[in-house]
Amino acid sequence: QKEVEQDPGPLSVPEGAIVSLNCTYSNSAFQYFMWYRQYSRKGPELLMYTYSSGNKEDGRFTAQVDKSSKYISLFIRDSQPSDSATYLCAMNDNYGQNFVFGPGTRLSVLP
Amino acid sequence: EAQVTQNPRYLITVTGKKLTVTCSQNMNHEYMSWYRQDPGLGLRQIYYSMNVEVTDKGDVPEGYKVSRKEKRNFPLILESPSPNQTSLYFCASSLAATGAGETQYFGPGTRLLVL
Repeated sequence: QKEVEQDPGPLSVPEGAIVSLNCTYSNSAFQYFMWYRQYSRKGPELLMYTYSSGNKEDGRFTAQVDKSSKYISLFIRDSQPSDSATYLCAMNDNYGQNFVFGPGTRLSVLP
Repeated sequence: EAQVTQNPRYLITVTGKKLTVTCSQNMNHEYMSWYRQDPGLGLRQIYYSMNVEVTDKGDVPEGYKVSRKEKRNFPLILESPSPNQTSLYFCASSLAATGAGETQYFGPGTRLLVL
């Protein structure tokens, strides 16, 4: 079993749709949870991060962490064609030194 | 402009020929890291460094070496490259030494093909 699992997609949605991206993990020591966005031929860029369980909202993006289920989600409201990218979840423990990434979900938002 | 730079961006080499991929950041960041990205496997951490002369192994360190002699530079060395090291490589840096919860800034990537 991989340490972090993520639905690889690809996922295609119409513009304006609500998108749900998810990751599951197995290591209960993970405390920091991040979502990165990666456009084609570019390096990943941090979108959001949360510490421990709970929700965090930033504009059209909401990150949720459920540590009891070892499950994290990223919701994108009113999706735009500019949101078309690969989304990577990432996590690390309290020492914060060793990062583990999911394989990424490729999202296409169609105009 | 604050950035992480990598060179070269593309490299084709042959098995066994030593190569170095350079990484440099101009943000005075403590933490630097190398990743490789492969289809279906995502980003996997190779090595990371919390400060000058402090480096440690990530999840896939075999076949790679790193050094951190200066704060801004973190080169990745492949002493004897093999075809299974064909991949897309990213260097990243963040402000804090631990990297926990910090924004990691990624370089543009180096695409390596080992024949």
